[in-house]
Amino acid sequence: KAGVTQTPRYLIKTRGQQVTLSCSPISGHRSVSWYQQTPGQGLQFLFEYFSETQRNKGNFPGRFSGRQFSNSRSEMNVSTLELGDSALYLCASSLRQGLFHEQFFGPGTRLTVL
Amino acid sequence: QKEVEQDPGPLSVPEGAIVSLNCTYSNSAFQYFMWYRQYSRKGPELLMYTYSSGNKEDGRFTAQVDKSSKYISLFIRDSQPSDSATYLCAASSGGYQKVTFGIGTKLQVIP
Repeated sequence: KAGVTQTPRYLIKTRGQQVTLSCSPISGHRSVSWYQQTPGQGLQFLFEYFSETQRNKGNFPGRFSGRQFSNSRSEMNVSTLELGDSALYLCASSLRQGLFHEQFFGPGTRLTVL
Repeated sequence: QKEVEQDPGPLSVPEGAIVSLNCTYSNSAFQYFMWYRQYSRKGPELLMYTYSSGNKEDGRFTAQVDKSSKYISLFIRDSQPSDSATYLCAASSGGYQKVTFGIGTKLQVIP
Protein backbone atom coordinates (compact mmCIF):
# COMPACT_ATOMS: atom_id res chain seq x y z
CA LYS A 1 0.00 0.00 0.00
CA ALA A 2 1.45 3.36 -1.00
CA GLY A 3 2.23 5.83 1.76
CA VAL A 4 1.31 9.49 2.08
CA THR A 5 2.65 11.51 -0.83
CA GLN A 6 3.30 15.23 -0.93
CA THR A 7 4.10 17.50 -3.84
CA PRO A 8 6.22 19.37 -4.50
CA ARG A 9 9.08 18.22 -2.27
CA TYR A 10 10.94 21.51 -2.44
CA LEU A 11 9.75 25.04 -3.15
CA ILE A 12 11.37 28.46 -3.17
CA LYS A 13 9.18 31.56 -3.06
CA THR A 14 9.64 35.25 -2.31
CA ARG A 15 7.89 37.33 0.31
CA GLY A 16 4.36 38.34 -0.59
CA GLN A 17 3.76 35.43 -2.93
CA GLN A 18 1.32 32.62 -2.24
CA VAL A 19 1.89 28.89 -2.39
CA THR A 20 -0.22 25.74 -2.67
CA LEU A 21 0.96 22.39 -1.36
CA SER A 22 -0.65 19.06 -2.14
CA CYS A 23 -1.12 15.88 -0.12
CA SER A 24 -2.46 12.47 -1.15
CA PRO A 25 -3.36 10.28 1.84
CA ILE A 26 -2.97 6.53 2.20
CA SER A 27 -5.70 4.74 0.27
CA GLY A 28 -8.77 4.41 2.50
CA HIS A 29 -7.69 7.15 4.89
CA ARG A 30 -10.23 9.93 5.07
CA SER A 31 -8.60 12.35 7.50
CA VAL A 32 -5.71 14.61 6.55
CA SER A 33 -3.85 16.85 8.97
CA TRP A 34 -1.25 19.47 8.19
CA TYR A 35 1.73 20.46 10.32
CA GLN A 36 4.51 23.03 10.19
CA GLN A 37 7.95 21.95 11.42
CA THR A 38 10.70 24.47 12.25
CA PRO A 39 13.90 24.05 14.30
CA GLY A 40 12.72 26.56 16.89
CA GLN A 41 9.08 25.54 17.36
CA GLY A 42 9.15 21.91 16.34
CA LEU A 43 6.04 20.30 14.88
CA GLN A 44 2.95 22.46 15.15
CA PHE A 45 -0.56 21.47 14.16
CA LEU A 46 -2.17 23.58 11.45
CA PHE A 47 -5.52 21.92 10.78
CA GLU A 48 -7.35 18.66 10.14
CA TYR A 49 -9.75 17.88 7.32
CA PHE A 50 -12.27 15.07 7.26
CA SER A 51 -15.08 14.57 4.76
CA GLU A 52 -14.09 17.77 2.99
CA THR A 53 -14.63 19.85 6.15
CA GLN A 54 -12.11 21.44 8.47
CA ARG A 55 -12.59 19.71 11.83
CA ASN A 56 -9.79 21.09 13.95
CA LYS A 57 -7.54 24.12 13.77
CA GLY A 58 -4.27 25.17 15.39
CA ASN A 59 -3.09 28.66 16.29
CA PHE A 60 -2.02 29.96 12.91
CA PRO A 61 -3.15 33.16 11.13
CA GLY A 62 -5.80 33.14 8.46
CA ARG A 63 -3.12 33.29 5.75
CA PHE A 64 -2.92 29.52 6.22
CA SER A 65 -5.88 27.72 4.71
CA GLY A 66 -6.68 24.35 3.28
CA ARG A 67 -9.26 22.21 1.62
CA GLN A 68 -10.03 18.59 1.04
CA PHE A 69 -11.51 16.99 -2.03
CA SER A 70 -14.02 14.17 -2.33
CA ASN A 71 -11.19 11.67 -2.96
CA SER A 72 -9.62 12.76 0.39
CA ARG A 73 -6.69 14.50 -1.27
CA SER A 74 -5.91 17.79 0.41
CA GLU A 75 -4.26 21.08 -0.44
CA MET A 76 -2.83 23.72 1.83
CA ASN A 77 -2.46 27.34 0.80
CA VAL A 78 -0.35 30.06 2.34
CA SER A 79 -0.98 33.59 1.12
CA THR A 80 1.23 36.68 1.47
CA LEU A 81 4.28 34.65 2.40
CA GLU A 82 6.58 35.89 5.16
CA LEU A 83 10.20 34.93 5.86
CA GLY A 84 9.02 33.11 8.99
CA ASP A 85 6.91 30.75 6.88
CA SER A 86 10.08 28.95 5.78
CA ALA A 87 9.60 25.45 7.17
CA LEU A 88 8.97 21.81 6.43
CA TYR A 89 5.25 21.32 5.86
CA LEU A 90 4.04 17.84 6.65
CA CYS A 91 0.74 16.20 6.08
CA ALA A 92 -0.46 13.10 7.87
CA SER A 93 -3.40 10.82 7.19
CA SER A 94 -5.49 8.55 9.36
CA LEU A 95 -8.55 6.37 8.84
CA ARG A 96 -10.94 8.63 10.66
CA GLN A 97 -11.23 12.05 12.23
CA GLY A 98 -9.26 12.59 15.41
CA LEU A 99 -7.08 9.45 15.23
CA PHE A 100 -3.97 11.47 15.95
CA HIS A 101 -2.37 8.49 17.68
CA GLU A 102 -2.64 6.44 14.48
CA GLN A 103 -1.59 8.91 11.82
CA PHE A 104 1.05 8.43 9.15
CA PHE A 105 3.18 11.24 7.81
CA GLY A 106 4.33 12.07 4.32
CA PRO A 107 7.89 13.14 3.48
CA GLY A 108 7.03 16.83 3.64
CA THR A 109 7.42 19.88 1.42
CA ARG A 110 10.43 22.06 2.22
CA LEU A 111 9.35 25.68 1.67
CA THR A 112 11.97 28.44 1.57
CA VAL A 113 10.79 32.05 1.52
CA LEU A 114 13.35 34.61 0.34
CA GLN B 1 5.69 26.89 28.84
CA LYS B 2 5.09 24.27 26.17
CA GLU B 3 2.57 21.53 26.94
CA VAL B 4 5.14 18.87 25.99
CA GLU B 5 8.78 19.48 26.90
CA GLN B 6 11.66 17.50 25.41
CA ASP B 7 15.41 17.99 25.60
CA PRO B 8 16.64 18.55 22.02
CA GLY B 9 20.03 16.94 22.74
CA PRO B 10 22.03 15.92 20.81
CA LEU B 11 22.55 12.62 22.57
CA SER B 12 25.49 10.46 21.51
CA VAL B 13 25.81 6.85 22.65
CA PRO B 14 28.02 3.90 21.63
CA GLU B 15 26.51 1.05 19.64
CA GLY B 16 24.87 -1.52 21.89
CA ALA B 17 24.01 0.96 24.65
CA ILE B 18 20.57 1.31 26.20
CA VAL B 19 19.11 4.66 25.24
CA SER B 20 16.63 6.54 27.40
CA LEU B 21 14.63 9.36 25.82
CA ASN B 22 12.28 11.41 27.95
CA CYS B 23 9.53 14.02 27.84
CA THR B 24 7.39 15.79 30.39
CA TYR B 25 3.94 17.19 29.85
CA SER B 26 1.67 19.57 31.67
CA ASN B 27 -1.84 18.85 30.38
CA SER B 28 -3.61 16.38 32.67
CA ALA B 29 -6.16 15.66 29.93
CA PHE B 30 -3.58 13.89 27.74
CA GLN B 31 -4.47 10.20 27.35
CA TYR B 32 -2.56 9.09 24.24
CA PHE B 33 1.21 9.25 24.14
CA MET B 34 3.16 8.67 20.95
CA TRP B 35 6.75 8.27 19.88
CA TYR B 36 7.87 9.09 16.37
CA ARG B 37 11.25 8.61 14.70
CA GLN B 38 12.34 11.09 12.05
CA TYR B 39 15.32 10.53 9.82
CA SER B 40 16.98 13.51 8.15
CA ARG B 41 14.91 14.86 5.25
CA LYS B 42 12.06 12.44 5.97
CA GLY B 43 8.66 12.68 7.60
CA PRO B 44 8.09 11.34 11.14
CA GLU B 45 7.40 7.61 11.42
CA LEU B 46 5.11 6.37 14.19
CA LEU B 47 7.00 3.90 16.42
CA MET B 48 4.25 3.20 18.94
CA TYR B 49 1.58 4.78 21.06
CA THR B 50 0.42 4.14 24.61
CA TYR B 51 -2.98 4.80 26.07
CA SER B 52 -2.95 6.15 29.62
CA SER B 53 -0.26 4.86 32.01
CA GLY B 54 1.89 1.78 31.66
CA ASN B 55 4.46 0.16 29.44
CA LYS B 56 4.39 -1.02 25.86
CA GLU B 57 7.10 -3.04 24.19
CA ASP B 58 7.85 -3.54 20.50
CA GLY B 59 11.08 -5.35 19.73
CA ARG B 60 13.98 -3.28 21.05
CA PHE B 61 11.70 -0.36 21.90
CA THR B 62 9.79 0.15 25.14
CA ALA B 63 7.49 3.11 25.80
CA GLN B 64 6.62 4.03 29.35
CA VAL B 65 4.10 6.55 30.69
CA ASP B 66 3.84 7.71 34.29
CA LYS B 67 0.77 9.92 34.55
CA SER B 68 1.35 10.67 38.21
CA SER B 69 4.58 12.48 37.37
CA LYS B 70 3.54 13.43 33.81
CA TYR B 71 6.62 11.70 32.44
CA ILE B 72 6.98 9.88 29.10
CA SER B 73 9.95 7.65 28.26
CA LEU B 74 11.23 5.64 25.32
CA PHE B 75 13.92 3.03 25.88
CA ILE B 76 15.95 1.55 23.04
CA ARG B 77 17.87 -1.63 23.83
CA ASP B 78 20.97 -2.74 21.94
CA SER B 79 21.08 0.54 20.03
CA GLN B 80 22.27 0.41 16.42
CA PRO B 81 23.75 3.08 14.13
CA SER B 82 20.51 2.84 12.12
CA ASP B 83 18.69 4.19 15.20
CA SER B 84 20.42 7.55 14.65
CA ALA B 85 17.55 9.94 14.10
CA THR B 86 15.43 12.54 15.84
CA TYR B 87 12.86 11.10 18.23
CA LEU B 88 9.67 13.05 18.83
CA CYS B 89 7.26 12.49 21.68
CA ALA B 90 3.66 13.59 21.30
CA ALA B 91 0.48 13.60 23.35
CA SER B 92 -3.22 13.96 22.72
CA SER B 93 -6.31 13.95 24.90
CA GLY B 94 -8.30 12.02 22.31
CA GLY B 95 -11.88 13.01 21.61
CA TYR B 96 -10.87 14.70 18.37
CA GLN B 97 -8.45 17.05 20.15
CA LYS B 98 -5.23 17.91 18.33
CA VAL B 99 -1.88 16.33 19.11
CA THR B 100 0.99 18.28 20.69
CA PHE B 101 4.59 17.41 19.90
CA GLY B 102 7.84 17.81 21.77
CA ILE B 103 10.71 19.55 19.98
CA GLY B 104 12.46 16.22 19.33
CA THR B 105 15.72 14.71 20.64
CA LYS B 106 18.51 14.09 18.14
CA LEU B 107 20.16 10.74 18.80
CA GLN B 108 23.47 9.56 17.36
CA VAL B 109 24.60 5.97 17.84
CA ILE B 110 28.35 5.68 17.29
CA PRO B 111 29.60 2.39 15.74
